[in-house]
Amino acid sequence: DAGITQSPRYKITETGRQVTLMCHQTWSHSYMFWYRQDLGHGLRLIYYSAAADITDKGEVPDGYVVSRSKTENFPLTLESATRSQTSVYFCASSWETNEKLFFGSGTQLSVL
Amino acid sequence: GENVEQHPSTLSVQEGDSAVIKCTYSDSASNYFPWYKQELGKGPQLIIDIRSNVGEKKDQRIAVTLNKTAKHFSLHITETQPEDSAVYFCPGGDSSYKLIFGSGTRLLVRP
Repeated sequence: DAGITQSPRYKITETGRQVTLMCHQTWSHSYMFWYRQDLGHGLRLIYYSAAADITDKGEVPDGYVVSRSKTENFPLTLESATRSQTSVYFCASSWETNEKLFFGSGTQLSVL
Repeated sequence: GENVEQHPSTLSVQEGDSAVIKCTYSDSASNYFPWYKQELGKGPQLIIDIRSNVGEKKDQRIAVTLNKTAKHFSLHITETQPEDSAVYFCPGGDSSYKLIFGSGTRLLVRP
């Protein structure tokens, strides 16, 4: 189906483990984004990408790594998960700047 | 970069009343003003947006108004219904694509 999909929907991991959250979109949108959402902090931008092989830091990039080898995929990796990274993670994409963002359904991550 | 402030942080209205949420921005060059709605357990969804060459835009019970002189834009919801209860965001960012959402406005429509 067309759209933007995130996987897994739920993930439980332990501190120190590496975790990768997947994001896939079928529209060939140029721009992709990762946000995290926590109570009291709203949505915070982690990383964004303007095209394949072009990524840049957002507001809270520490502890995260991204890659964009293909236009349709934008995985987010927590190299060594910490409890403070327990959050809901949203991926989004758009055709252009100043255009509508399409959000995935989110990944709820718990780091124990 | 762009700084966007959103008010109020929470808003409670009686069903049928109107709700207004306001965002103030700092960059005079801003030309795109979107509003997103996030329902519980879901990702945000664009509900309406406006460009800087337009002063107002309506879509059924929802409208957005832009005051470029005062640098603010507002979301207006008329005849509110319980399904309007959600968190609303007016993201802002720098000149390109680094959209910052912030904490939004939590709207509660009381039946």
